[in-house]
Amino acid sequence: NAGVTQTPKFQVLKTGQSMTLQCAQDMNHNSMYWYRQDPGMGLRLIYYSASEGTTDKGEVPNGYNVSRLNKREFSLRLESAAPSQTSVYFCASSEPGGRKMEAFFGQGTRLTVV
Amino acid sequence: DAKTTQPNSMESNEEEPVHLPCNHSTISGTDYIHWYRQLPSQGPEYVIHGLTSNVNNRMASLAIAEDRKSSTLILHRATLRDAAVYYCMRGGTSYGKLTFGQGTILTVHP
Repeated sequence: NAGVTQTPKFQVLKTGQSMTLQCAQDMNHNSMYWYRQDPGMGLRLIYYSASEGTTDKGEVPNGYNVSRLNKREFSLRLESAAPSQTSVYFCASSEPGGRKMEAFFGQGTRLTVV
Repeated sequence: DAKTTQPNSMESNEEEPVHLPCNHSTISGTDYIHWYRQLPSQGPEYVIHGLTSNVNNRMASLAIAEDRKSSTLILHRATLRDAAVYYCMRGGTSYGKLTFGQGTILTVHP
């Protein structure tokens, strides 16, 4: 059981380049999330998807777009990367309202924008 | 706004109990209290959650104050592997979004 898988694990971009971070979960969860974590800080929510076909902005959505491709996959796109987007990105999934109420996180994508 | 308050850091010795406090004075009647921890260079992992009653699982215990304005995560015997950042959060059953604050950095000494 893989849980939440993020690709790539590491990425270096030049300012202005675009890229898509991929996330997939195999737990049949309805809800998925993208967070970013800057050094020494807590996680901040970028976007979330309560269920397949829906997406909503979180605390820090500017500069990002998301796609909930299907129930398994939730991607995060940076259209024009900026140095301020250098961070570690975490994807998570959960089944809100379920008995366990546990969110599962991926291992993270370390992104550096130069 | 994480809506919870935790100490920035705490220290413990190995094999001793650890009590990690959290203040959530504005919690609503339907909000659950969630605890997650983040080991170095890893994503957060679930520890425990509760509503009103104290809760126990294989990782920890959660003691919730009677007025629900505060709670304490209890690690019964700290190990070196428990060194992590511990996050306390509040949310409801259908509230899928977790709002992380700064958390408490737990250092465990051999």
